Amino acid sequence: DAMVIQNPRYQVTQFGKPVTLSCSQTLNHNVMYWYQQKSSQAPKLLFHYYDKDFNNEADTPDNFQSRRPNTSFCFLDIRSPGLGDAAMYLCATSRDSVERPYEQYFGPGTRLTVT
Amino acid sequence: SQQGEEDPQALSIQEGENATMNCSYKTSINNLQWYRQNSGRGLVHLILIRSNEREKHSGRLRVTLDTSKKSSSLLITASRAADTASYFCATDAYPSYDKVIFGPGTSLSVIP
Repeated sequence: DAMVIQNPRYQVTQFGKPVTLSCSQTLNHNVMYWYQQKSSQAPKLLFHYYDKDFNNEADTPDNFQSRRPNTSFCFLDIRSPGLGDAAMYLCATSRDSVERPYEQYFGPGTRLTVT
Repeated sequence: SQQGEEDPQALSIQEGENATMNCSYKTSINNLQWYRQNSGRGLVHLILIRSNEREKHSGRLRVTLDTSKKSSSLLITASRAADTASYFCATDAYPSYDKVIFGPGTSLSVIP
């Protein structure tokens, strides 16, 4: 089945130790998103790719970086995680559509713990 | 700035009852979407309603959209324990149509 896969599902890292979260998709969608979601809050968009075009949200900290080497894969790098970065990180995809925005397909998320 | 606001924040009902959640937004939209999130999981798309539509159905779900009031409602009929989840509305992040902004969500508990 076509899907969005996130690895790992749970990640524990130390304060200040770089960490990379990965996302892959078999949907062949050209738009990919990274969201941060803290407990009992709405998902907050960090950035998104429209094909290779990177779009950073104005309030996304510089500590967060992303790479999209090809259509199928996207990575979230947190250069120096702080305690406040502990959250669920959600990857999503959507197809291009004349009638934007189109529905998004989410992965199961990676829960990041910072010790 | 937040586009969508859900109401109520939390809702608890008995199995078999109907559940209604509301969403209000601020700017004009192309479409409005509703998503469900089970505890600790990713979001699942439920329904998309376009700005020129007033009502849409999908199984036990009924969504209405009133663009004059900038509001939408999600009705779940004959609720089941498995409907227990958080429900989010999502609207255009105008002027960008490549992304959406999620409202704070309604937490629904369906008691068996």
